[in-house]
Amino acid sequence: DVKVTQSSRYLVKRTGEKVFLECVQDMDHENMFWYRQDPGLGLRLIYFSYDVKMKEKGDIPEGYSVSREKKERFSLILESASTNQTSMYLCASSPIGPGLAGVQYFGPGTRLLVL
Amino acid sequence: KQEVTQIPAALSVPEGENLVLNCSFTDSAIYNLQWFRQDPGKGLTSLLLIQSSQREQTSGRLNASLDKSSGRSTLYIAASQPGDSATYLCAVTPSGNEKLTFGTGTRLTIIP
Repeated sequence: DVKVTQSSRYLVKRTGEKVFLECVQDMDHENMFWYRQDPGLGLRLIYFSYDVKMKEKGDIPEGYSVSREKKERFSLILESASTNQTSMYLCASSPIGPGLAGVQYFGPGTRLLVL
Repeated sequence: KQEVTQIPAALSVPEGENLVLNCSFTDSAIYNLQWFRQDPGKGLTSLLLIQSSQREQTSGRLNASLDKSSGRSTLYIAASQPGDSATYLCAVTPSGNEKLTFGTGTRLTIIP
């Protein structure tokens, strides 16, 4: 079974803090994704990575950065957390290959509260 | 820009009833469409994936249909059970792309 793990289920941080959210997948998937999920807005893509050290902006990258130093690990960084970044953050990974476009496996999510 | 809509946002039905969840999308140039389930505070689990060349997919009590030309998909749940209570999300993969565009979901409650 594919396993995607996220470092924390719940996190409380203060405005201005630097926040790291970690995601690890164990299936050697090429693609990894970070989403945030807010009521009424659904899931929105923040960043995705299609290879080690490669990244591409999603729909809402402002205020975030990412790091992918190893294939299995994709980190989301909030350089200076703000209250409007309070949200549920979901990580996903996907393989590449014929017929696999869009097949993503999700982690359990991290609920971040910024005070 | 692709937009995915799910109406209603919430639905309550008595146990045992059959029900249909709806999903519509604005751009028919899709590679596939998926239905996901999300339990409260949890991640997403893929239920069914329909390739653009297919009309429907079935898994147990679930049946998903796709009408690409009209930009619509439905998820049919037969003989609903309390364990079906969750939020159901549909997502489309644009052609030539690895990214998903999600709808905002329908929160389903099955009343025992």
